[in-house]
Amino acid sequence: QPVLTQSSSASASLGSSVKLTCTLSSGHSSYIIAWHQQQPGKAPRYLMRLEGSGRYNRGSGVPDRFSVSSSGTDRYLSISNLQSEDEADYYCETWDSNTRVFGGGTKLTVL
Amino acid sequence: EVQLVESGGGLVQPGGSLRLSCAASGFTFSAYAMTWVRQAPGKGLEWVAAISADGAGTYYADSVKGRFTISRDNSKNTLYLQMTSLRGEDTAVYYCARNQPDPISGSYLGCWGQGTLVTVSS
Repeated sequence: QPVLTQSSSASASLGSSVKLTCTLSSGHSSYIIAWHQQQPGKAPRYLMRLEGSGRYNRGSGVPDRFSVSSSGTDRYLSISNLQSEDEADYYCETWDSNTRVFGGGTKLTVL
Repeated sequence: EVQLVESGGGLVQPGGSLRLSCAASGFTFSAYAMTWVRQAPGKGLEWVAAISADGAGTYYADSVKGRFTISRDNSKNTLYLQMTSLRGEDTAVYYCARNQPDPISGSYLGCWGQGTLVTVSS
């Protein structure tokens, strides 16, 4: 079963860019992941789906300030022109054999 | 508009039972597998259980296996989670989510409900 590892926190200034990382465990570099955003006090929201090749699908209504990329076992979520509403927890998700795994989440602070 | 609305949460004593519901609208409920995910206070997301579109297949996290039962009524567009032998560590917000089939394999969680809080305490 894959394991997803995320940094616990990140910060960046309003209007700048940030890149969040989700790392798949060894041997799982081909796995597809999904990124979710959870704003304070709200339910999670699906953002984007990302393959190891870099192919992706964007969720409905997700601004193009959000982009994704892949390298080996790393899956990235980049956010440009940071807005105050981007301050949130970001989770990656993957799946295998009828089970589902989440990363521990990254708390993004917009300074 | 796709909507998932959970209900049934509340305060329950350790060892007690509770049934959560998730009312779905805005899509063909019977065509989608569904999932329950929980989030303990101040913690991350934890997958709890999933059910196939027709209800024939059910899957559980080890932490709830034998205590929780996921089910659905496609005629009522409703997903359920029956929780028994509840423990303090089951205290969490419980979210239902719709499984979105992935073009390659499996599925990801493409739509989430707003959640319902379950508190297990004496």
